[in-house]
Amino acid sequence: LAKTTQPISMDSYEGQEVNITCSHNNIATNDYITWYQQFPSQGPRFIIQGYKTKVTNEVASLFIPADRKSSTLSLPRVSLSDTAVYYCLVGDGTGGYNKLIFGAGTRLAVHP
Amino acid sequence: NAGVTQTPKFQVLKTGQSMTLQCAQDMNHNSMYWYRQDPGMGLRLIYYSASEGTTDKGEVPNGYNVSRLNKREFSLRLESAAPSQTSVYFCASRSGGSGHNEQFFGPGTRLTVL
Repeated sequence: LAKTTQPISMDSYEGQEVNITCSHNNIATNDYITWYQQFPSQGPRFIIQGYKTKVTNEVASLFIPADRKSSTLSLPRVSLSDTAVYYCLVGDGTGGYNKLIFGAGTRLAVHP
Repeated sequence: NAGVTQTPKFQVLKTGQSMTLQCAQDMNHNSMYWYRQDPGMGLRLIYYSASEGTTDKGEVPNGYNVSRLNKREFSLRLESAAPSQTSVYFCASRSGGSGHNEQFFGPGTRLTVL
């Protein structure tokens, strides 16, 4: 079972860069790593996905080392609206790509 | 496109009552999922359907049944509701196949079992 481990919570201030690391020691060869953001009373929303090295989009970057046993979500210059729970997700090898299990997530609080 | 829709948005049940949560997607996705989220906790996978005609258990399937009615619809049934099933239920869909595609989530159904 591909399990992920993240810090329970993090605090930051507006304008800072935030890096959230996820550990996934049992990631399968074909698994992608996906990050989601969830605001209270809403369903999770896709942020970014990657397989190896670095991926960047308009809201975040994802760094994945060569061994793929961890990944780091980087949020540049956070604002108050980035306060949310962030989940790292990898496919569960026993169910192929389709059995997608969320970890506990990281609660990010951004302060003025 | 409406994306993923869920009905009802809110529901209150008494212990022992049954109900079905409905989910539909209009993105022609192959895979669909049901998660539950208890207050202050992460999402837990109840059941999923990799493709039309198949369903599989997730992490917490006990007390639930599912039906993949067709490619668009995936329902979740509580046969005899218990207070421990008080939660927010999220349905999600995904294109399926290889790992590099995202899940799209519905707005959730907030269920209270008294």
